Amino acid sequence: EAGVAQSPRYKIIEKRQSVAFWCNPISGHATLYWYQQILGQGPKLLIQFQNNGVVDDSQLPKDRFSAERLKGVDSTLKIQPAKLEDSAVYLCASSLLGLRDGLYEQYFGPGTRLTVT
Amino acid sequence: SQQGEEDPQALSIQEGENATMNCSYKTSINNLQWYRQNSGRGLVHLILIRSNEREKHSGRLRVTLDTSKKSSSLLITASRAADTASYFCATDRWGGYQKVTFGTGTKLQVIP
Repeated sequence: EAGVAQSPRYKIIEKRQSVAFWCNPISGHATLYWYQQILGQGPKLLIQFQNNGVVDDSQLPKDRFSAERLKGVDSTLKIQPAKLEDSAVYLCASSLLGLRDGLYEQYFGPGTRLTVT
Repeated sequence: SQQGEEDPQALSIQEGENATMNCSYKTSINNLQWYRQNSGRGLVHLILIRSNEREKHSGRLRVTLDTSKKSSSLLITASRAADTASYFCATDRWGGYQKVTFGTGTKLQVIP
């Protein structure tokens, strides 16, 4: 089974520029997550989709970050304009649709390492 | 905000020794999972323990969960150099959807 694909793997931009990340989840996975992981810290959830809809974007800095999941499959995460503190690894993960009494593990992509200079 | 706090933040052991790392969390949960992250790579799921379970084994891994103390531990027995990685606990609770929150991680170094 193919894993979660992400691109690009690395990106270096200057502050105030824009950048976009792409994620292709595992086929059939209804739930898609975007995390930000700053060096030395655990992943922080930015946004969680169930199919096309957003179920949690409480920690997404909406003034500069946006995300969409078209047709409930691929997703893009955009930062515009970028700040120095956005330097981090951006991880995409997917899972089967979780139910109240059931939980499915998340499968993570390799991540995109963003450096803002 | 991060729900789980791992302890210790870093751990260095000799190959063949056992490694124990702990996770404490704040609110009630449905399940707790442990993930491993090798340097510069994505996270890999290791094991899941449900809130009504107290202990679970998978190969060289043993996980315990104490919901009264809101804590969990991960034991890796007979460690290998390949176990060198960061380990994260992740808690989930139901809020109309599964809300998963990762901890701060323990960085394990296994010296050959």
